[in-house]
Amino acid sequence: NAGVTQTPKFQVLKTGQSMTLQCAQDMNHNSMYWYRQDPGMGLRLIYYSASEGTTDKGEVPNGYNVSRLNKREFSLRLESAAPSQTSVYFCASSETGPGGDTQYFGPGTRLTVL
Amino acid sequence: EDKVVQSPLSLVVHEGDTVTLNCSYEVTNFRSLLWYKQEKKAPTFLFMLTSSGIEKKSGRLSSILDKKELFSILNITATQTGDSAVYLCAVGSGTSYGKLTFGQGTILTVHP
Repeated sequence: NAGVTQTPKFQVLKTGQSMTLQCAQDMNHNSMYWYRQDPGMGLRLIYYSASEGTTDKGEVPNGYNVSRLNKREFSLRLESAAPSQTSVYFCASSETGPGGDTQYFGPGTRLTVL
Repeated sequence: EDKVVQSPLSLVVHEGDTVTLNCSYEVTNFRSLLWYKQEKKAPTFLFMLTSSGIEKKSGRLSSILDKKELFSILNITATQTGDSAVYLCAVGSGTSYGKLTFGQGTILTVHP
């Protein structure tokens, strides 16, 4: 089992460019999440998907969109990148219900916006 | 607004030392408290605590939750250089499973 995988590992964008971060999990989890991690700020939830076909905003959704393509895949899109979106992005997945708090993370994508 | 605060923010010790990391929280409808270890890449799950006073142990690591005083501690005994990492505390709260609030993390450095 690969667990949670993310692509790309690194990306450099210019202000205004767009890109999509990809995430896939093979643990048959219903719930998936996107976080960003900034120095001194811990992990902050951007969007989450409790099940296929549903998505909800987290703490910091502005400037991002998501798509839950199927049960395995959850993508994060930056339509017009800004320097404030320079961060490390983590995707995670979990079971639904009481197991939902135990989340399993991907290796992250380090994004720099110039 | 839910809040999770970890202390200290960073800690430098020598191999063999024992360390205690702290996590305090203020959340609505507490559900669980989790500890993760992050070495360069993905956070990896260590413990989940839901009941007060029950210690969870895994090798040299242990953790306990105090729901009355709203905090948890993570103890690491006989530290090794491989314990060097960022330790993250997260609290599950509210009515939706999976909603976690993370602390800032504690950077632990263990010197040989």
